[in-house]
Amino acid sequence: QVQLQESGPGLVKPSETLSLTCSVSGVSINSYYWSWIRQPPGKGLEWIGCVYFSGSTNYSPSLKSRVTISIDTSRKQVSLRLNSVTAADTAVYFCASTTFRGGKPERFDYWGQGTLVTVSS
Amino acid sequence: QSVLTQPPSVSGAPGQRVTISCTGSSSNIGANFDVHWYQQLPGTAPKLLIYVNTNRPSGVPDRFSGSKSGTSASLAITGLQAEDEADYYCQSYDSSLSGSGVVFGGGTKLTVL
Repeated sequence: QVQLQESGPGLVKPSETLSLTCSVSGVSINSYYWSWIRQPPGKGLEWIGCVYFSGSTNYSPSLKSRVTISIDTSRKQVSLRLNSVTAADTAVYFCASTTFRGGKPERFDYWGQGTLVTVSS
Repeated sequence: QSVLTQPPSVSGAPGQRVTISCTGSSSNIGANFDVHWYQQLPGTAPKLLIYVNTNRPSGVPDRFSGSKSGTSASLAITGLQAEDEADYYCQSYDSSLSGSGVVFGGGTKLTVL
């Protein structure tokens, strides 16, 4: 079955760059787009963006200026970089397989367990 | 403020039927973008519950059903069970002058009385 595992530092200082990795197993990384989604403590879900095995990306308009999502097909890993972080970026970060339709991200079929990242000095 | 509006909470007794609404606008649900629903049990990741408005992934009980009309969608749960107590999120796509991307509702907490 599809398994996704997020990893990375749990604490990042304000103004620095948040970096996370999602390891994909149980499915060809070419089968889906791969998204990052975050959830601040006690709040709702926010889509950050996604990447395809070709390297093609789509980003949320609200985060586009600070986000880079990349893919390493040989390692079956998807990476997230979010720069100039503030306390508002504190959240659980999930990676998720993403079905595309009509050239747009449609839905998220499989999710990782998520990893909490706290932005604090 | 979420692009898609959901009630913050709903509740029902075991065996009852509850519905959760998801209200959008002409730039998302009303623009014929599909709606999907996720269930998030306490302390876990969201799980796809309904996709493309009315479809259930394999393993999701038929007690869960979805519908869509105009600029809104709804999730119905019949025969409510204690294990259904969770947060539920709707999701669609939004395309407007300010940009395009995936949008979620704010989430609805279901309490089984």
